[in-house]
Amino acid sequence: EVQLLESGGGLVQPGGSLRLSCAASGFTFSNYAMTWVRQAPGKGLQWVSAISGRTTDTYYADSVRGRLTISRDNSKNTLYLQMNNLRAEDSAIYYCAKNQDGGPVAMDVWGQGTTVSVSS
Amino acid sequence: DIVMTQSPDSLAVSLGERATINCKSSQSVLSSSNNKDYLGWYQQKPGQPPKLLIYWASTRESGVPDRFSGSGSGTDFTLTISNLQAEDAAVYFCQHYFGTPRTFGQGTKVEI
Repeated sequence: EVQLLESGGGLVQPGGSLRLSCAASGFTFSNYAMTWVRQAPGKGLQWVSAISGRTTDTYYADSVRGRLTISRDNSKNTLYLQMNNLRAEDSAIYYCAKNQDGGPVAMDVWGQGTTVSVSS
Repeated sequence: DIVMTQSPDSLAVSLGERATINCKSSQSVLSSSNNKDYLGWYQQKPGQPPKLLIYWASTRESGVPDRFSGSGSGTDFTLTISNLQAEDAAVYFCQHYFGTPRTFGQGTKVEI
């Protein structure tokens, strides 16, 4: 069974850092691009960042570029999101999602999400 | 950036009736290289992650009931839910993946 399990969320002060992880299982992780999507409380979905499968090309929303960094360790089947200089507006549920293949395609498997709260 | 605009923001539909959700992109998401529309539809129920329903604008994801259908091309797209069931109450989002950022529409809430 294809599964994604996020971890690493929590409460952090403005300006602080967190590292989110997404453990993947049930598929050949390195063959697929991966994506982070977030959802603020009561709001819609916001695409945050994506990373290709083997070439590790990375892509970011303007609102997070320079503060959030996506990466992956294909040997550990794990996706990461390093979050620095966090702001209140970064508070959200962060979902990791598997793309349908290695490129720009829809996201066919989603994790349950991990919650990030940025507050003093 | 491509802006995705859905309409309506919410709608109430009776059981067994049809729900129609529209999604408009600020520029075409049709690729001239492969003649595919880079557009997907997702369903999200309370407390759950989104679920992929439709990709390439009209291809139903495996396991999705055939009462869900997608149509449109270029900048105008539609998700139709025929014979609405109680379990279809949810928020529906369109999203383009034609370049980055891969923006979502604001969502449409479907109530029974």
